[in-house]
Amino acid sequence: DADVTQTPRNRITKTGKRIMLECSQTKGHDRMYWYRQDPGLGLRLIYYSFDVKDINKGEISDGYSVSRQAQAKFSLSLESAIPNQTALYFCATSDLGGIGYTFGSGTRLTVV
Amino acid sequence: EDQVTQSPEALRLQEGESSSLNCSYTVSGLRGLFWYRQDPGKGPEFLFTLYSAGEEKEKERLKATLTKKESFLHITAPKPEDSATYLCAVQASGGSGNTGKLIFGQGTTLQVKP
Repeated sequence: DADVTQTPRNRITKTGKRIMLECSQTKGHDRMYWYRQDPGLGLRLIYYSFDVKDINKGEISDGYSVSRQAQAKFSLSLESAIPNQTALYFCATSDLGGIGYTFGSGTRLTVV
Repeated sequence: EDQVTQSPEALRLQEGESSSLNCSYTVSGLRGLFWYRQDPGKGPEFLFTLYSAGEEKEKERLKATLTKKESFLHITAPKPEDSATYLCAVQASGGSGNTGKLIFGQGTTLQVKP
């Protein structure tokens, strides 16, 4: 099994719908992240969490929310999806030093 | 503002043709510079971490070097299986460095033809 598992792998949704992307990890890391990848823009940080009670906004958090249900689970929600949220989404974990990063395989989201 | 720029955006090589990828960065105190490999439909896979100018690391046909302003990923005698997108990222010391946040470049897509 993968260290960081994202579900679903692919999703097509309609504008205005609420959608949740899920991430679970077996690394035992406290730190978890959600990044978004767009062609030509690299990966950008949406939200990050140091532990269940510590959640922080990244550089592009507008239109997104997150939930850290347990140390191993970190979910990303789009409250009302819009087409410019079409992208590849990655969950990642890191050790306390923030050095040992592990990425999931990504969720390809298309908003039509 | 912390920033990472990679060049070229795309690179086509013949098998065995060595070359280098560039990563230029501006950051308010470098905590670490990272290289990742990303295959289509997959997440980034860790290659190297460099911490200080002058540092070098090698793995098979890849060698990463670091100066105060840029990093190079040298590919020696590449093979078709080296085809991928290579991502560079920096982690700043100080406030943002405490988050573990990575600032990514846009990547270089490498294609190696047999």
